[in-house]
Amino acid sequence: ELKVEQNPLFLSMQEGKNYTIYCNYSTTSDRLYWYRQDPGKSLESLFVLLSNGAVKQEGRLMASLDTKARLSTLHITAAVHDLSATYFCAVGGATNKLIFGTGTLLAVQP
Amino acid sequence: KAGVTQTPRYLIKTRGQQVTLSCSPISGHRSVSWYQQTPGQGLQFLFEYFSETQRNKGNFPGRFSGRQFSNSRSEMNVSTLELGDSALYLCASSLVDYNEQFFGPGTRLTVL
Repeated sequence: ELKVEQNPLFLSMQEGKNYTIYCNYSTTSDRLYWYRQDPGKSLESLFVLLSNGAVKQEGRLMASLDTKARLSTLHITAAVHDLSATYFCAVGGATNKLIFGTGTLLAVQP
Repeated sequence: KAGVTQTPRYLIKTRGQQVTLSCSPISGHRSVSWYQQTPGQGLQFLFEYFSETQRNKGNFPGRFSGRQFSNSRSEMNVSTLELGDSALYLCASSLVDYNEQFFGPGTRLTVL
């Protein structure tokens, strides 16, 4: 059974600092998704990574995928308060089924 | 371009009742998936439909069922509601298999 682990579960950062969220998964998959969720809201798609070595960047966020290590990272550069949210990684299973990680609650302090 | 829509947005039911939730995917998207989100269990896959066929099902009891119509709109039904069914129910649609999935705003179900 595919399992997805994220760490840390909670991350308190100061504005301007860098940090990385890690997403490990237990079985082979070459599809990895990152989503953002604001309190009381739905999921917003951030990145779709579909091959080993894929790297995508949008603003202060950069995501990468290493399918051999079964690891994806979401790197935050020079954090700002607007990035405060919960971030989920999800691994693609059969058809369009997604297996989600536990989520990382990011709090960026001024 | 309109996003994924879900109705109703909020529901309050009592134990033993049944409920039907509706999802309209983005125009042209034929795949619709449903997820349950709770504080304790996180985001869990319920089922996925494509062209009116259920292609995949998560590990939920038979009280949870769904269907998809010819216009790709989907409904999910929960019968004999239990307190533990209180959750945010999200649906997602996708244009192409194994690619980006777009989520709707969700239906928040409270079971009393």
